[in-house]
Amino acid sequence: RKEVEQDPGPFNVPEGATVAFNCTYSNSASQSFFWYRQDCRKEPKLLMSVYSSGNEDGRFTAQLNRASQYISLLIRDSKLSDSATYLCVAMDSSYKLIFGSGTRLLVRP
Amino acid sequence: SQTIHQWPATLVQPVGSPLSLECTVEGTSNPNLYWYRQAAGRGLQLLFYSVGIGQISSEVPQNLSASRPQDRQFILSSKKLLLSDSGFYLCAWSAGINEKLFFGSGTQLSVL
Repeated sequence: RKEVEQDPGPFNVPEGATVAFNCTYSNSASQSFFWYRQDCRKEPKLLMSVYSSGNEDGRFTAQLNRASQYISLLIRDSKLSDSATYLCVAMDSSYKLIFGSGTRLLVRP
Repeated sequence: SQTIHQWPATLVQPVGSPLSLECTVEGTSNPNLYWYRQAAGRGLQLLFYSVGIGQISSEVPQNLSASRPQDRQFILSSKKLLLSDSGFYLCAWSAGINEKLFFGSGTQLSVL
């Protein structure tokens, strides 16, 4: 089992739609979780940290479910500019951050 | 504010040639530094990380090596490149272990 797993997608949604991604992690002791956004041939950029209580930043909401060992990212009112690959990050058993392979989102007009 | 610089942006090298990619961080001291590689359409693979000058941890056995000659400088090297070394190389820094990472703009390496 991979340490961090994501559905590769692509998720193809119309503008204005709400879309959600899940990401599962294997290390139940992980204390650090993040979502990154990566555009084609660019570096990943931090989208948001994921806290136990969940957090929201504008149209983006991240949540952590420790019991089921997954984190989620919800994007409301999708924009064309949201098209990108979204990378989930969790901590492995050696206390290093491990990236998922990413979920690709395509927002169409 | 902190910034991270990585160069070159693209590189085409023949098989068997050497490699040197450089990364520097500004605006912070004693950062944790990382080298990742991303193959086309794949996730990020951690290659090396460093918590201080001269301290390098290797995650994957390969023909690459890393060095940290100064606090905010991280270098990725190879004596002889292989075709399989092609990929997108990313340098990153963090303020500590398990803290959020900030990436350089990456180097697209093509080994032919």
